[in-house]
Amino acid sequence: DTGVSQDPRHKITKRGQNVTFRCDPISEHNRLYWYRQTLGQGPEFLTYFQNEAQLEKSRLLSDRFSAERPKGSFSTLEIQRTEQGDSAMYLCASSLSGGVPLYNEQFFGPGTRLTVL
Amino acid sequence: KNEVEQSPQNLTAQEGEFITINCSYSVGISALHWLQQHPGGGIVSLFMLSSGKKKHGRLIATINIQEKHSSLHITASHPRDSAVYICAPYSGAGSYQLTFGKGTKLSVIP
Repeated sequence: DTGVSQDPRHKITKRGQNVTFRCDPISEHNRLYWYRQTLGQGPEFLTYFQNEAQLEKSRLLSDRFSAERPKGSFSTLEIQRTEQGDSAMYLCASSLSGGVPLYNEQFFGPGTRLTVL
Repeated sequence: KNEVEQSPQNLTAQEGEFITINCSYSVGISALHWLQQHPGGGIVSLFMLSSGKKKHGRLIATINIQEKHSSLHITASHPRDSAVYICAPYSGAGSYQLTFGKGTKLSVIP
């Protein structure tokens, strides 16, 4: 399968624990995006990378959240000291980059559903 | 930040009906995604368009950048089309994040 993959698909944790999610983008895509979706709402942007550089971060990304893409391929999203309000679906997407907007079509992974007890 | 409004929020149709979902946004954009989300969370990109009209199978998407409006049409709807459809404008002006509408929940009844 050459699509975007995410691991794990589901994570249940206790409040205060740290969790880490992984995203593997489509191999030739140099942009990678993280989004969060709470129940009944549309996704919200968290951050995005172009290659290994983190170029944009949402104000939703508090200091408990950190994202990395060390080699410009896969990315990790870590949440420290999880809170019940962090329970959500965390979605990853990837795209090519280019001056023409249609080059930037984003392709989504299946998501990681986090439940904080 | 773009404001994105979709209508209707919920839609129930009989199998075979022609369906239209509308999306309006408040600021200028360069392109727009239509996305489909099935129960369980997976999001599939249906279209990304910046002008005119695109067709893929029974799905048609149109956009009018000047009027800040896009529509998604489904012809000959089928129960497997039941999903949430999300409009997501893309500003492209130095920012590559998408802003998402809340989605339209479509149920197609046999």
